[in-house]
Amino acid sequence: DADVTQTPRNRITKTGKRIMLECSQTKGHDRMYWYRQDPGLGLRLIYYSFDVKDINKGEISDGYSVSRQAQAKFSLSLESAIPNQTALYFCATSEPGLDTGELFFGEGSRLTVL
Amino acid sequence: GQNIDQPTEMTATEGAIVQINCTYQTSGFNGLFWYQQHAGEAPTFLSYNVLDGLEEKGRFSSFLSRSKGYSYLLLKELQMKDSASYLCAAMDSNYQLIWGAGTKLIIKP
Repeated sequence: DADVTQTPRNRITKTGKRIMLECSQTKGHDRMYWYRQDPGLGLRLIYYSFDVKDINKGEISDGYSVSRQAQAKFSLSLESAIPNQTALYFCATSEPGLDTGELFFGEGSRLTVL
Repeated sequence: GQNIDQPTEMTATEGAIVQINCTYQTSGFNGLFWYQQHAGEAPTFLSYNVLDGLEEKGRFSSFLSRSKGYSYLLLKELQMKDSASYLCAAMDSNYQLIWGAGTKLIIKP
C-alpha cells in the first residue's frame, strides 16, 4: 500500500459542484501539502499544513479550502468547481525540522470540471 | 519575481549521457532539488544541493552554482526507464519550493 493515498484518483464533475479530494498518510509526517499540476506549468502550492492546528495559504488558494482532520488526513475542497480547476492534484508530506524539501507525493487525483 | 527555467523536452540515446539544465531566480535561496516524474505518476525525489559543487548518486549527479543561479542534472548510462520528466525546484527564503515546468526526457534505443 502507498504511504500517501489520495481519493478519488479520477473525478469528472460539472461546473458549480462541490468536490472534496482526500489525502491520508502513514508516514507519520506532520507536514502536508496540496499542489496542482497543469501541462506546461510547474507544480503550484494550494495550501499547506505543518500540524493539525496550522493551515496556510499557498500560491493559488483562491477557490479552494482545506481541512486537517488529523495528523494523517488532509482534505482539499472546491466549494464550487469551475473548468479552470481541471488539473492533476497531488498531496504530499514531509518531515518536520528537516528543510531539505524532500516531499513524498501521493499518486495524484485527476479532476475534470465540465 | 521568482522563476525557474528548464528546457521543455530533450532526446537522448540509450547508453549515452544527458545533461538537463536549470536556472533559477528566487527571493533568497535554501537549496535546489531535482525530482523525477514518470508519465501519470507522482514525482519522486532525486537530489538536493545547497552548496556549490557536484553531488553524485549512482548514475545520477547534480551540480549547483549559487553565484550563477544554475544547476544541472547529469544522467549517465541512460536506460529506457529513465524516460520521464525531470523537475527542478528551488527553495526560497521562506522555505517554499518554486517549481520549474519540467523537462521531458525521451530515450531512444
